[in-house]
Amino acid sequence: EDKVVQSPLSLVVHEGDTVTLNCSYEVTNFRSLLWYKQEKKAPTFLFMLTSSGIEKKSGRLSSILDKKELFSILNITATQTGDSAVYLCAVKGNKLVFGAGTILRVKS
Amino acid sequence: GAGVSQTPSNKVTEKGKYVELRCDPISGHTALYWYRQSLGQGPEFLIYFQGTGAADDSGLPNDRFFAVRPEGSVSTLKIQRTERGDSAVYLCASSLGSDSSYEQYFGPGTRLTVT
Repeated sequence: EDKVVQSPLSLVVHEGDTVTLNCSYEVTNFRSLLWYKQEKKAPTFLFMLTSSGIEKKSGRLSSILDKKELFSILNITATQTGDSAVYLCAVKGNKLVFGAGTILRVKS
Repeated sequence: GAGVSQTPSNKVTEKGKYVELRCDPISGHTALYWYRQSLGQGPEFLIYFQGTGAADDSGLPNDRFFAVRPEGSVSTLKIQRTERGDSAVYLCASSLGSDSSYEQYFGPGTRLTVT
């Protein structure tokens, strides 16, 4: 059965801190790994990763995939209160399977 | 342009009743997905349509759940004889195609509460 595990489950940091969120997976027929940010209801797309070792970057957020060790990390530098959200990792094999998410709270 | 929309945003119903949840995908998106998200969990796949046909309905939990997309655009998720365990946020997503290179865009969801 396809499985996605995220850690930590939750995290509280202060503005300006750097955070690293982890995602490990076991999936048949891996096609891609995606990161989403969920603030209210609708997850919003952050990154799609398909190749190992190639960092994707968007502003203060970056992510990288290791297909040999079956994990990905999402880094957020210089965190802001607006980064507070649930961060979801999902892996597309035969279907899209989500992890339970990491709840990030950034305190001012 | 308009994103994915879902109606109603909230639905409260009594145990045993029938409910319909509607999803309007982004215009031109041929693939449409339904997910269910319980509190503290990630979205769980229910069913996906490519055009009018259900390409994969393996995530539907039982035969009380059914979804249609008769004209290849709007989709309706139908739940019969609702149970308290059906309470969750039901998310819809659409993408240009079902290939893994296409990003899924999510709607705001319908929060279903079964009392």
